[in-house]
Amino acid sequence: NAGVMQNPRHLVRRRGQEARLRCSPMKGHSHVYWYRQLPEEGLKFMVYLQKENIIDESGMPKERFSAEFPKEGPSILRIQQVVRGDSAAYFCASSHGAGGNSPLHFGNGTRLTVT
Amino acid sequence: GENVEQHPSTLSVQEGDSAVIKCTYSDSASNYFPWYKQELGKRPQLIIDIRSNVGEKKDQRIAVTLNKTAKHFSLHITETQPEDSAVYFCAASKWTGGGNKLTFGTGTQLKVEL
Repeated sequence: NAGVMQNPRHLVRRRGQEARLRCSPMKGHSHVYWYRQLPEEGLKFMVYLQKENIIDESGMPKERFSAEFPKEGPSILRIQQVVRGDSAAYFCASSHGAGGNSPLHFGNGTRLTVT
Repeated sequence: GENVEQHPSTLSVQEGDSAVIKCTYSDSASNYFPWYKQELGKRPQLIIDIRSNVGEKKDQRIAVTLNKTAKHFSLHITETQPEDSAVYFCAASKWTGGGNKLTFGTGTQLKVEL
């Protein structure tokens, strides 16, 4: 059973470009979470999605950031018009349920560098 | 919202000694407390978790204790080994059926010295 798959592992964008980060959850998992980690800091919650629905986006910046988890295919975190402050590691996690015995399993992350 | 504080930020121990990392949380409704280990450049890995209906849980050399009244929980690693060197994060969440949104502490860099 493959774990949470994220790609690309590393992404370099110039200021003003768009960044698209992909996350395929573990098999059988329908709940996806995105977290951002700045250097030497903890992980900050961004958004929680189930298939075709955004459940909680309270940690997502209001502008330039969007996320989706379509019926088919991976979850996508999209950052438009990137700025240097967007440079960070973005981790995706998945779980098989919304509560109970549903721990989060993380992917290897996408390290975004904005030049 | 929930706020999780973690101490210490760095911890050095000699191989074979014990290491203790402590966290406090602010939301008394939080009921799930996992610990993650993150090696440099890698993903956070769940090493142990505890729910609020349990006071202590142990898995080989790792144990977690929870004090709901004081709203703090701790990670204990015994007989530390060099491969235990990593950053450890505590987290807290409320499992209400609306997802498992974790709030993380700021991390503890553990270094196990030979």
